[in-house]
Amino acid sequence: DQQVKQNSPSLSVQEGRISILNCDYTNSMFDYFLWYKKYPAEGPTFLISISSIKDKNEDGRFTVFLNKSAKHLSLHIVPSQPGDSAVYFCAASVTNTGNQFYFGTGTSLTVIP
Amino acid sequence: DTAVSQTPKYLVTQMGNDKSIKCEQNLGHDTMYWYKQDSKKFLKIMFSYNNKELIINETVPNRFSPKSPDKAHLNLHINSLELGDSAVYFCASSPDSNYGYTFGSGTRLTVV
Repeated sequence: DQQVKQNSPSLSVQEGRISILNCDYTNSMFDYFLWYKKYPAEGPTFLISISSIKDKNEDGRFTVFLNKSAKHLSLHIVPSQPGDSAVYFCAASVTNTGNQFYFGTGTSLTVIP
Repeated sequence: DTAVSQTPKYLVTQMGNDKSIKCEQNLGHDTMYWYKQDSKKFLKIMFSYNNKELIINETVPNRFSPKSPDKAHLNLHINSLELGDSAVYFCASSPDSNYGYTFGSGTRLTVV
């Protein structure tokens, strides 16, 4: 039972344009969400997070949007750069559950120069 | 100066063997985890330790046994390896609060 879903396994975007990566979840108890970025042969690295008390969090070129009613979050990268090419995982958790996170299956982003 | 290091990075072994994967973190985090990434790239938690004590043990065969000699180390021992154990295993650590992990680079286990 996959509680966090990333329905697009891959995405290609031209350099300089916006990349939008989507994530849906089923558990309405989730209140903390993260995005991870993973290069080949490396472990995922933390990118950006958002708490359910917010609907937007911005860090440089990365912005995460949360729509609680739709149980949907998205990661926007603008402008996209070739170095952003990687697999992006979203993850969700319920606060105070022992730091157990549920991961999506990832979206592979390719930024075309 | 790797924050979370796993060894070995690659492991090829025959069915029925016993093997261990080691994980060490130098971040001073209180909590460590083992995740299994399956062929569909889904990351599933296996175990979580906080200060050497087991706090999460998902439905994992008894053949998998975590060992935490101290809070900087969480090793994974697997007995009687099966073909279905082939996967990438990620170790991770986090501070004892609700924000994200630092992952190791993964150990690709292949059982033949």
